[in-house]
Amino acid sequence: EIVLTQSPGALSLSPGERTTLSCRASQSVSNNYLAWYQQKPGQAPRLLIYGASNRATGIPDRFSGSGSGTDFTLTISRLEPEDFAVYYCQQYANSPWTFGQGTKVEIK
Amino acid sequence: QVQLQESGPGLVKPSQTLSLTCTVSGGSISSGFYFWSWIRQPAGKGLEWIGRIYTSGSTDYNPSLKGRVTISVDTSNNQFSLTVTSVTAADTAVYFCARDEDWGSQLAYWGQGILVTVSS
Repeated sequence: EIVLTQSPGALSLSPGERTTLSCRASQSVSNNYLAWYQQKPGQAPRLLIYGASNRATGIPDRFSGSGSGTDFTLTISRLEPEDFAVYYCQQYANSPWTFGQGTKVEIK
Repeated sequence: QVQLQESGPGLVKPSQTLSLTCTVSGGSISSGFYFWSWIRQPAGKGLEWIGRIYTSGSTDYNPSLKGRVTISVDTSNNQFSLTVTSVTAADTAVYFCARDEDWGSQLAYWGQGILVTVSS
């Protein structure tokens, strides 16, 4: 099983700031089958990034993903009020599919 | 645009069987080549992938649930279902159904989730 470790666990930031979230895999994620999701309280996760760096349909370009192998990042170039949420990475290269434990982005 | 909606009992007694259904609208569950998945999330915790069924009917489950899980498809009602046997309090969670995209296995479509509590 591929274990995904996200860091940091939580961030306190102000609107307009830039932030980078990390996701490290216990083994290489083949074909960069790594996705990022945003989840707000009481809602289902929303797909942001797939294939490590491809924005999903309708996702603003302030969200970008990068990385390969075992190290991946999600960057939000300028935080909007609606971006304060929990972010999860997920690998879908190997079964069982696994998620990171999440990074909570809070308003400072 | 495909939409998914979970349904089922919100309360299950310990040692009994949890059964949930995901109703698909906006497209036929038997058309295309998709994975139909179940994911769960205990309160205040992260996401756990439970398993999936392919359009062809083949299944894949998370070994962490130790053989207690079955996912099946009901094409006549455009639904797919989850059963978890011998439940304990550790199975208390919000359960989501989801589907991947045409161009990859990322989970692009999600139901709103249903809370299932295991308690006597």
